Amino acid sequence: DGGITQSPKYLFRKEGQNVTLSCEQNLNHDAMYWYRQDPGQGLRLIYYSQIVNDFQKGDIAEGYSVSREKKESFPLTVTSAQKNPTAFYLCASKTVDRDGQFFGPGTRLTVL
Amino acid sequence: GESVGLHLPTLSVQEGDNSIINCAYSNSASDYFIWYKQESGKGPQFIIDIRSNMDKRQGQRVTVLLNKTVKHLSLQIAATQPGDSAVYFCAENLTGFQKLVFGTGTRLLVSP
Repeated sequence: DGGITQSPKYLFRKEGQNVTLSCEQNLNHDAMYWYRQDPGQGLRLIYYSQIVNDFQKGDIAEGYSVSREKKESFPLTVTSAQKNPTAFYLCASKTVDRDGQFFGPGTRLTVL
Repeated sequence: GESVGLHLPTLSVQEGDNSIINCAYSNSASDYFIWYKQESGKGPQFIIDIRSNMDKRQGQRVTVLLNKTVKHLSLQIAATQPGDSAVYFCAENLTGFQKLVFGTGTRLLVSP
């Protein structure tokens, strides 16, 4: 998992509640990403950030929000507006001079 | 639009065989490709990458082949081991963009 940590590993939430997933990296990477993965499917991009205090929507940003106040941190909030939030959430990071992304271990969110 | 897909959703091989996992991409503007391995409940792990100015790259027991003419990418794993059992994803990066587009994945099952 190489310097990218996500917490918690498992998260349970009641319907209608907001929840924040943590992603921290000590790799000094500039760009950070959040993906959602549903069973048997590939990764879909939620949000990404290339520099501090700036971020862009990915393909499925509705119902999610992010912040990038520090280079090493990129928390993701799953809001009550997200219709189907139960999924495996993956955070990744990369340097600007390389295209490959490195992933964290993931957080499995279950809405009860 | 851009898309990445895989021909075979599941590949079953015997231990010691060579495995070939295929991937088709649709965007000729993609300049970088990467293969990831994902074990159950974990984040994707980098395996090997290749730039569009190359057609072959070798790593330890793995080889990636790129055929730009037919927009095809393959991952070859030599002497497949039970520990290679996982889902394998290909991803492409469009020139000038800082994000990857992922395929849906191929599950590799290795029997002892």
